[in-house]
Amino acid sequence: DAKTTQPPSMDCAEGRAANLPCNHSTISGNEYVYWYRQIHSQGPQYIIHGLKNNETNEMASLIITEDRKSSTLILPHATLRDTAVYYCIVRVARDDYKLSFGAGTTVTVRA
Amino acid sequence: DSGVTQTPKHLITATGQRVTLRCSPRSGDLSVYWYQQSLDQGLQFLIQYYNGEERAKGNILERFSAQQFPDLHSELNLSSLELGDSALYFCASSLTPGSDYGYTFGSGTRLTVV
Repeated sequence: DAKTTQPPSMDCAEGRAANLPCNHSTISGNEYVYWYRQIHSQGPQYIIHGLKNNETNEMASLIITEDRKSSTLILPHATLRDTAVYYCIVRVARDDYKLSFGAGTTVTVRA
Repeated sequence: DSGVTQTPKHLITATGQRVTLRCSPRSGDLSVYWYQQSLDQGLQFLIQYYNGEERAKGNILERFSAQQFPDLHSELNLSSLELGDSALYFCASSLTPGSDYGYTFGSGTRLTVV
């Protein structure tokens, strides 16, 4: 069952912020939002996760709406190396061992 | 380099054959996960081990099996191979099962069945 909905693709200009939306309207109170990305057939790479507060790390920021039904991953200054498929995943940390990857959003950063 | 090592990187074999894919987890990680990525199915969870014991199973075929050894490396065995088994196989590791801070994936083994 698909727990998240993401746009299939989006373009972004190099140096600009990339805002990647994700809908998770059926998210449960104990489910976290995780973001991974996969660069051209490499192994997926963990980016960030959050429960209800906004989170920021060296790679990105995660904004979760107050009702938790949607979130946005922000890449503050996109580079060509950020071209990848980005996956939004919801799971219960510690209890849910598998990551259920959907189709993700193919992000193309253009010079 | 993520710290998760998968060998071999590429494997070409014939239908009906058996192959073994190997994964060494990141140093200190006790849990190993196997994923299959084919063009039509996306990334699919296969199986998970923690400290040598099987913890969770996904859509793993009966022709496939895995184990985790005392030194924590893991092997995925694929037998009676079919053309449809051609895919990228990824191994991931984490300190504990369902670790909060995400899993570290290896660079994968590309299996081609001809």
